[in-house]
Amino acid sequence: NAGVMQNPRHLVRRRGQEARLRCSPMKGHSHVYWYRQLPEEGLKFMVYLQKENIIDESGMPKERFSAEFPKEGPSILRIQQVVRGDSAAYFCASSPLAGVGSGVETQYFGPGTRLLVL
Amino acid sequence: GQQLNQSPQSMFIQEGEDVSMNCTSSSIFNTWLWYKQEPGEGPVLLIALYKAGELTSNGRLTAQFGITRKDSFLNISASIPSDVGIYFCAGPIIQGAQKLVFGQGTRLTINP
Repeated sequence: NAGVMQNPRHLVRRRGQEARLRCSPMKGHSHVYWYRQLPEEGLKFMVYLQKENIIDESGMPKERFSAEFPKEGPSILRIQQVVRGDSAAYFCASSPLAGVGSGVETQYFGPGTRLLVL
Repeated sequence: GQQLNQSPQSMFIQEGEDVSMNCTSSSIFNTWLWYKQEPGEGPVLLIALYKAGELTSNGRLTAQFGITRKDSFLNISASIPSDVGIYFCAGPIIQGAQKLVFGQGTRLTINP
């Protein structure tokens, strides 16, 4: 039973380039969450998606960042025109449950993508 | 917004020692989660707490949900080298929500 998969594990981009981070949830999971972790800090929520729907993007920067979770294929976190401050570890989590009152403990995290912007 | 403060930020201990760390919040949480993160990996859930005063164990790990609902504690007994990592507390940003807020972590280093 494969866990949450993220690729690439490491990504190097120059300032101004685009970064695409992919997340394949666990089998049977239809909810995906993206978090960002800066060095020496905890994870910070970015966005919560279901298939073809963005449920909560309150943690996403207003510009340059977007996320999608299409009907088929992985969830994508896209960062346009990257800047050095975007360097961080980006984690995806997935869960099988939906709605208010469901257990937050059922979020399973992937290994992360470490983005380095030169 | 809700913030979680963990202390200590780092610990350097000898193998075999017991470890205690805590997490506090300015607002009430109804669920407390404790995660461990190893280098190059994502967080792994250790213990989940749901009721004020609850004490839950997972092997050598024990966590408690503070009575005020504004704090939680994690203890590790008889530490071993594989306990090395960063321990995070976390909880739902708002009650019933799926998105989590994390503390800044306690980094545990063990001298063999």
